[in-house]
Amino acid sequence: GAGVSQSPSNKVTEKGKDVELRCDPISGHTALYWYRQSLGQGLEFLIYFQGNSAPDKSGLPSDRFSAERTGGSVSTLTIQRTQQEDSAVYLCASSFVGLETQYFGPGTRLLVL
Amino acid sequence: ELKVEQNPLFLSMQEGKNYTIYCNYSTTSDRLYWYRQDPGKSLESLFVLLSNGAVKQEGRLMASLDTKARLSTLHITAAVHDLSATYFCAGGYNNAGNMLTFGGGTRLMVKP
Repeated sequence: GAGVSQSPSNKVTEKGKDVELRCDPISGHTALYWYRQSLGQGLEFLIYFQGNSAPDKSGLPSDRFSAERTGGSVSTLTIQRTQQEDSAVYLCASSFVGLETQYFGPGTRLLVL
Repeated sequence: ELKVEQNPLFLSMQEGKNYTIYCNYSTTSDRLYWYRQDPGKSLESLFVLLSNGAVKQEGRLMASLDTKARLSTLHITAAVHDLSATYFCAGGYNNAGNMLTFGGGTRLMVKP
């Protein structure tokens, strides 16, 4: 079946601009996660959605970062007023619930000039 | 707060040799995961280890978990070039939504 998809695959933006990254999880998966992978910080958790519950935003690095999940499916990660240190690969993952294996999407490579 | 450390960070080995990647974690974790990442690609799930003494094998890779020592290992048997990739271990807590804490990764290069 279809895996996790993300768009765009690459994004180049200028410092100070806003960007939106999209994630389509595997159908039926209620849990959705955003992670960031960068050379300096490795792989780090950003935000977690489970069903209709309030998201766990504990990993968001600043208030410039926000995310929403509409209809319990597609999620959008928004970064406002991008900074060069935001350059990274943003990975989305989904799973059924709880401790199930998380399946990762191909990622969005963001470059802030 | 869960911390996960892997070693070595980089491993160059000859085809046919055996080696082990180590993953230490700081506090109790409900599950331990191993992922593979090829250059420019996303993460591929390899193993999920659920309990103390758990051992899983797939081809030339075998993963084990010792919860008392807070240690997981990924053993490579008779390495082949196709195993060249970066391997990550990660721990998660069910009561915290299972967001994963990753180790720094081990970049494996298998030379012919």
